[in-house]
Amino acid sequence: GIQVEQSPPDLILQEGANSTLRCNFSDSVNNLQWFHQNPWGQLINLFYIPSGTKQNGRLSATTVATERYSLLYISSSQTTDSGVYFCAVFPAGNAGNMLTFGGGTRLMVKP
Amino acid sequence: KAGVTQTPRYLIKTRGQQVTLSCSPISGHRSVSWYQQTPGQGLQFLFEYFSETQRNKGNFPGRFSGRQFSNSRSEMNVSTLELGDSALYLCASSRARDEKLFFGSGTQLSVL
Repeated sequence: GIQVEQSPPDLILQEGANSTLRCNFSDSVNNLQWFHQNPWGQLINLFYIPSGTKQNGRLSATTVATERYSLLYISSSQTTDSGVYFCAVFPAGNAGNMLTFGGGTRLMVKP
Repeated sequence: KAGVTQTPRYLIKTRGQQVTLSCSPISGHRSVSWYQQTPGQGLQFLFEYFSETQRNKGNFPGRFSGRQFSNSRSEMNVSTLELGDSALYLCASSRARDEKLFFGSGTQLSVL
């Protein structure tokens, strides 16, 4: 099946710093989503972005489908950004929500 | 609009028992999918339901089953519980298949 790798696995930032998280996938995808899991376990959907660039406040994401990667940018980080960020994909040519998740990037933002 | 609601929030069971978890999707969402999260295996897909039909199933034994009702609410059942079934079980919904997923807060299952 499709493989999803995220880097870095762990990241520690000082409040106010910027960061880039990467997601590489091994095959063409219909569907790529970024999620933030907060310390209480809730998964929040940040972006649905199978291709192109989207922005939402301090967060933006870019997916280059032809090169099989996606990037999540966090600017002016805040302590509330702490948690685990997951990338999830679904292979092209299929329908549905059978997402394959990457291993996540654990982010800690220090005040 | 209410989010995805999962009940119960926590469950403690013993080996060999069975358990049923419930998920109410966002109003108007017809696709419901289930995921298992463990520290060792991460987030893994269990199954997806759309219009009361199972559309996809992950690589889990037959002890894991589910269903979806006409109002799109879904339940999953795990029979003959094993210690390794201890996990956070997450339900997600979307308006249609292959759209943005919204997750519930999960059910934390502990098997003793």
